[in-house]
Amino acid sequence: SQKIEQNSEALNIQEGKTATLTCNYTNYSPAYLQWYRQDPGRGPVFLLLIRENEKEKRKERLKVTFDTTLKQSLFHITASQPADSATYLCALPMDSNYQLIWGAGTKLIIKP
Amino acid sequence: GAVVSQHPSWVICKSGTSVKIECRSLDFQATTMFWYRQFPKQSLMLMATSNEGSKATYEQGVEKDKFLINHASLTLSTLTVTSAHPEDSSFYICSALSPGTAHRYGYTFGSGTRLTVV
Repeated sequence: SQKIEQNSEALNIQEGKTATLTCNYTNYSPAYLQWYRQDPGRGPVFLLLIRENEKEKRKERLKVTFDTTLKQSLFHITASQPADSATYLCALPMDSNYQLIWGAGTKLIIKP
Repeated sequence: GAVVSQHPSWVICKSGTSVKIECRSLDFQATTMFWYRQFPKQSLMLMATSNEGSKATYEQGVEKDKFLINHASLTLSTLTVTSAHPEDSSFYICSALSPGTAHRYGYTFGSGTRLTVV
Protein backbone atom coordinates (compact mmCIF):
# COMPACT_ATOMS: atom_id res chain seq x y z
CA SER A 1 0.00 0.00 0.00
CA GLN A 2 1.07 3.56 -0.60
CA LYS A 3 2.96 5.26 2.22
CA ILE A 4 4.23 8.79 2.59
CA GLU A 5 7.39 9.67 4.45
CA GLN A 6 8.16 13.12 5.72
CA ASN A 7 10.99 14.02 8.05
CA SER A 8 9.51 13.76 11.51
CA GLU A 9 12.21 15.90 13.07
CA ALA A 10 11.62 19.62 13.27
CA LEU A 11 13.52 21.71 10.76
CA ASN A 12 15.15 24.84 12.15
CA ILE A 13 16.00 27.52 9.60
CA GLN A 14 17.41 30.99 10.00
CA GLU A 15 15.16 33.80 8.84
CA GLY A 16 15.88 34.81 5.26
CA LYS A 17 17.23 31.42 4.24
CA THR A 18 15.51 28.86 2.05
CA ALA A 19 13.70 26.04 3.80
CA THR A 20 13.43 22.72 1.95
CA LEU A 21 11.08 19.98 3.04
CA THR A 22 10.94 16.46 1.62
CA CYS A 23 8.05 14.15 0.85
CA ASN A 24 8.77 10.62 -0.32
CA TYR A 25 6.21 8.05 -1.36
CA THR A 26 6.74 4.35 -1.65
CA ASN A 27 4.48 2.88 -4.27
CA TYR A 28 2.70 4.08 -7.38
CA SER A 29 3.24 7.58 -8.70
CA PRO A 30 0.10 9.63 -8.11
CA ALA A 31 -1.59 11.80 -10.67
CA TYR A 32 -0.86 14.79 -8.45
CA LEU A 33 0.57 15.69 -5.07
CA GLN A 34 -0.53 18.43 -2.71
CA TRP A 35 1.14 20.45 0.02
CA TYR A 36 -0.67 21.92 2.99
CA ARG A 37 0.22 24.08 5.95
CA GLN A 38 -1.15 23.29 9.40
CA ASP A 39 -0.89 25.57 12.39
CA PRO A 40 -1.36 24.20 15.95
CA GLY A 41 -5.00 23.49 16.73
CA ARG A 42 -6.13 24.34 13.21
CA GLY A 43 -7.13 22.45 10.10
CA PRO A 44 -4.73 22.18 7.15
CA VAL A 45 -4.67 24.94 4.56
CA PHE A 46 -4.02 24.12 0.91
CA LEU A 47 -0.85 25.60 -0.56
CA LEU A 48 0.06 24.00 -3.86
CA LEU A 49 -0.84 21.13 -6.14
CA ILE A 50 1.61 19.69 -8.65
CA ARG A 51 0.67 17.18 -11.32
CA GLU A 52 2.73 14.21 -12.40
CA ASN A 53 3.61 15.84 -15.72
CA GLU A 54 4.83 19.02 -14.02
CA LYS A 55 8.40 19.23 -12.83
CA GLU A 56 7.98 22.41 -10.85
CA LYS A 57 5.26 24.72 -9.55
CA ARG A 58 5.65 28.16 -8.00
CA LYS A 59 3.48 30.44 -5.93
CA GLU A 60 5.05 33.59 -4.54
CA ARG A 61 7.88 32.41 -2.23
CA LEU A 62 6.84 28.77 -2.51
CA LYS A 63 8.18 26.23 -4.96
CA VAL A 64 7.30 22.58 -5.30
CA THR A 65 9.07 19.97 -7.40
CA PHE A 66 7.89 16.50 -8.32
CA ASP A 67 10.29 13.75 -9.36
CA THR A 68 8.41 10.57 -10.25
CA THR A 69 11.68 8.70 -10.79
CA LEU A 70 12.82 9.38 -7.25
CA LYS A 71 9.24 9.19 -5.95
CA GLN A 72 9.83 12.46 -4.21
CA SER A 73 8.49 15.97 -3.92
CA LEU A 74 10.44 18.88 -2.50
CA PHE A 75 8.80 21.93 -0.99
CA HIS A 76 10.84 25.13 -0.83
CA ILE A 77 10.16 28.39 0.97
CA THR A 78 12.53 31.13 -0.09
CA ALA A 79 13.32 34.20 2.01
CA SER A 80 11.77 32.43 4.98
CA GLN A 81 10.05 34.40 7.71
CA PRO A 82 9.10 33.54 11.31
CA ALA A 83 5.45 33.60 10.16
CA ASP A 84 6.26 30.61 7.95
CA SER A 85 6.74 28.50 11.08
CA ALA A 86 4.16 25.71 10.97
CA THR A 87 3.79 22.04 10.15
CA TYR A 88 3.79 21.25 6.45
CA LEU A 89 1.96 18.20 5.18
CA CYS A 90 2.08 16.48 1.84
CA ALA A 91 -0.80 14.44 0.54
CA LEU A 92 -1.54 12.38 -2.51
CA PRO A 93 -4.69 10.74 -3.78
CA MET A 94 -5.76 7.22 -3.08
CA ASP A 95 -7.07 5.30 -6.00
CA SER A 96 -10.72 6.19 -5.64
CA ASN A 97 -13.35 8.51 -4.29
CA TYR A 98 -11.08 11.53 -4.03
CA GLN A 99 -9.56 10.32 -0.76
CA LEU A 100 -6.09 11.50 0.21
CA ILE A 101 -3.19 9.79 1.93
CA TRP A 102 -1.31 12.08 4.31
CA GLY A 103 2.23 12.33 5.53
CA ALA A 104 2.77 13.00 9.22
CA GLY A 105 4.14 16.43 8.40
CA THR A 106 7.38 18.25 9.10
CA LYS A 107 7.47 21.02 11.66
CA LEU A 108 9.30 24.05 10.34
CA ILE A 109 10.71 26.63 12.74
CA ILE A 110 12.04 29.88 11.33
CA LYS A 111 14.27 31.66 13.80
CA PRO A 112 14.64 35.46 13.70
CA GLY B 1 -11.87 30.78 -2.25
CA ALA B 2 -13.81 27.94 -0.70
CA VAL B 3 -14.59 28.18 3.01
CA VAL B 4 -15.59 25.43 5.42
CA SER B 5 -16.95 26.26 8.84
CA GLN B 6 -16.61 23.69 11.62
CA HIS B 7 -18.25 23.94 15.04
CA PRO B 8 -17.58 23.74 17.86
CA SER B 9 -13.87 24.47 17.90
CA TRP B 10 -13.51 22.69 21.20
CA VAL B 11 -15.76 20.68 23.48
CA ILE B 12 -15.40 18.94 26.82
CA CYS B 13 -17.91 16.26 27.64
CA LYS B 14 -18.48 13.63 30.25
CA SER B 15 -17.82 10.00 29.51
CA GLY B 16 -20.93 8.29 28.16
CA THR B 17 -22.46 11.36 26.56
CA SER B 18 -22.74 12.17 22.86
CA VAL B 19 -21.20 15.07 21.00
CA LYS B 20 -22.19 16.47 17.61
CA ILE B 21 -19.74 18.29 15.36
CA GLU B 22 -20.96 20.32 12.39
CA CYS B 23 -19.18 21.01 9.14
CA ARG B 24 -20.60 23.52 6.68
CA SER B 25 -19.38 24.60 3.27
CA LEU B 26 -20.19 28.29 3.15
CA ASP B 27 -19.73 29.31 -0.46
CA PHE B 28 -19.79 26.12 -2.46
CA GLN B 29 -21.66 22.86 -2.69
CA ALA B 30 -19.71 19.98 -1.24
CA THR B 31 -20.67 16.75 -2.92
CA THR B 32 -18.18 14.87 -0.77
CA MET B 33 -17.05 15.47 2.78
CA PHE B 34 -14.35 13.70 4.71
CA TRP B 35 -13.93 13.30 8.44
CA TYR B 36 -10.48 12.92 9.92
CA ARG B 37 -9.05 12.33 13.35
CA GLN B 38 -5.61 13.55 14.30
CA PHE B 39 -3.60 12.62 17.37
CA PRO B 40 -0.68 14.83 18.48
CA LYS B 41 2.28 14.76 16.10
CA GLN B 42 0.56 12.23 13.87
CA SER B 43 -0.85 12.40 10.39
CA LEU B 44 -4.47 12.90 9.54
CA MET B 45 -6.33 9.62 9.74
CA LEU B 46 -9.35 9.35 7.50
CA MET B 47 -12.37 8.10 9.41
CA ALA B 48 -15.08 8.21 6.78
CA THR B 49 -16.17 9.63 3.47
CA SER B 50 -19.68 10.89 3.00
CA ASN B 51 -21.52 11.81 -0.13
CA GLU B 52 -24.62 13.95 0.01
CA GLY B 53 -27.76 11.89 0.34
CA SER B 54 -26.08 8.55 0.83
CA LYS B 55 -24.58 6.56 3.67
CA ALA B 56 -21.04 7.29 4.73
CA THR B 57 -18.22 4.93 3.87
CA TYR B 58 -16.15 4.16 6.94
CA GLU B 59 -12.49 3.24 6.99
CA GLN B 60 -11.40 -0.05 8.43
CA GLY B 61 -11.38 0.00 12.20
CA VAL B 62 -13.78 2.92 12.55
CA GLU B 63 -17.01 1.98 14.31
CA LYS B 64 -19.90 3.31 12.30
CA ASP B 65 -22.31 2.94 15.22
CA LYS B 66 -20.07 5.05 17.38
CA PHE B 67 -19.22 7.74 14.85
CA LEU B 68 -22.49 8.66 13.18
CA ILE B 69 -22.15 10.74 10.05
CA ASN B 70 -25.00 12.55 8.35
CA HIS B 71 -24.61 14.42 5.07
CA ALA B 72 -28.16 15.55 4.51
CA SER B 73 -27.42 18.51 2.25
CA LEU B 74 -24.73 19.76 -0.09
CA THR B 75 -23.56 22.24 2.52
CA LEU B 76 -23.79 20.37 5.82
CA SER B 77 -22.29 17.22 7.29
CA THR B 78 -22.37 16.24 10.94
CA LEU B 79 -20.30 13.80 12.97
CA THR B 80 -21.81 12.54 16.21
CA VAL B 81 -19.55 10.76 18.66
CA THR B 82 -21.90 8.56 20.63
CA SER B 83 -21.23 7.34 24.15
CA ALA B 84 -17.89 9.09 24.16
CA HIS B 85 -15.03 7.71 26.20
CA PRO B 86 -11.66 9.23 27.13
CA GLU B 87 -9.95 7.32 24.30
CA ASP B 88 -12.13 9.24 21.85
CA SER B 89 -10.41 12.45 22.90
CA SER B 90 -8.73 13.79 19.79
CA PHE B 91 -8.73 16.53 17.17
CA TYR B 92 -11.49 15.98 14.62
CA ILE B 93 -11.31 17.76 11.27
CA CYS B 94 -13.72 17.82 8.36
CA SER B 95 -12.85 18.45 4.76
CA ALA B 96 -15.17 19.32 1.92
CA LEU B 97 -14.70 18.72 -1.76
CA SER B 98 -16.34 20.18 -4.78
CA PRO B 99 -15.10 18.24 -7.81
CA GLY B 100 -13.67 20.52 -10.41
CA THR B 101 -12.16 22.93 -7.91
CA ALA B 102 -9.78 20.61 -6.07
CA HIS B 103 -7.05 21.28 -8.60
CA ARG B 104 -7.28 25.00 -7.83
CA TYR B 105 -8.18 25.14 -4.17
CA GLY B 106 -7.14 21.73 -2.98
CA TYR B 107 -9.31 20.24 -0.34
CA THR B 108 -10.87 22.76 2.00
CA PHE B 109 -10.71 21.98 5.68
CA GLY B 110 -12.61 23.14 8.68
CA SER B 111 -10.70 24.60 11.60
CA GLY B 112 -11.05 21.40 13.59
CA THR B 113 -12.73 20.39 16.85
CA ARG B 114 -10.75 19.50 19.94
CA LEU B 115 -12.77 16.89 21.82
CA THR B 116 -11.87 16.10 25.41
CA VAL B 117 -13.81 13.38 27.17
CA VAL B 118 -13.49 13.37 30.96
